[in-house]
Amino acid sequence: GQNIDQPTEMTATEGAIVQINCTYQTSGFNGLFWYQQHAGEAPTFLSYNVLDGLEEKGRFSSFLSRSKGYSYLLLKELQMKDSASYLCAVRDAGNNRKLIWGLGTSLAVNP
Amino acid sequence: EAQVTQNPRYLITVTGKKLTVTCSQNMNHEYMSWYRQDPGLGLRQIYYSMNVEVTDKGDVPEGYKVSRKEKRNFPLILESPSPNQTSLYFCASRSANYGYTFGSGTRLTVV
Repeated sequence: GQNIDQPTEMTATEGAIVQINCTYQTSGFNGLFWYQQHAGEAPTFLSYNVLDGLEEKGRFSSFLSRSKGYSYLLLKELQMKDSASYLCAVRDAGNNRKLIWGLGTSLAVNP
Repeated sequence: EAQVTQNPRYLITVTGKKLTVTCSQNMNHEYMSWYRQDPGLGLRQIYYSMNVEVTDKGDVPEGYKVSRKEKRNFPLILESPSPNQTSLYFCASRSANYGYTFGSGTRLTVV
């Protein structure tokens, strides 16, 4: 079956670094996405990985290991506004290239 | 500005009264999708469309209809809404190889 696992909740301190993990088991793979979603708002795109390795974009970085079915999102220099849910999604390799979504990790950043 | 516009943002209706949630994108994307998001269940795909006049069921299509007569528009129709369709709904669009851009969401309450 298709499955994506992420921790349900995490807490961190302002200014710190936090790593949010995502493991996946899918029948096909055509890329992994990370989205940020503030409560009651739309998800917004953060990063996309299709090859193994680290992609850095400002304070946010995302890592992928296809052989391990594993990704993480790294957030540096945490700010209060980073308190949000972080969604991991894998794009299937099938004809419709469907996105399979994790349930999200709710991150609380404390002062 | 590239965006997905969905309306209304908030809607309270009564059981059985037909309603339509509109969705329009200005990015010339082929792929559009409707999701509902419920606490603890994450994003679940209702219907998707790979191009004009091409639509298909997602994971939770019961009680919903869609149409794709023009590339930019993808309305979601609830012919006879029921209280279990109370949810936060998102329309999203993407091109073939990229991630979704989401609309702002529609919070629907069926009483």
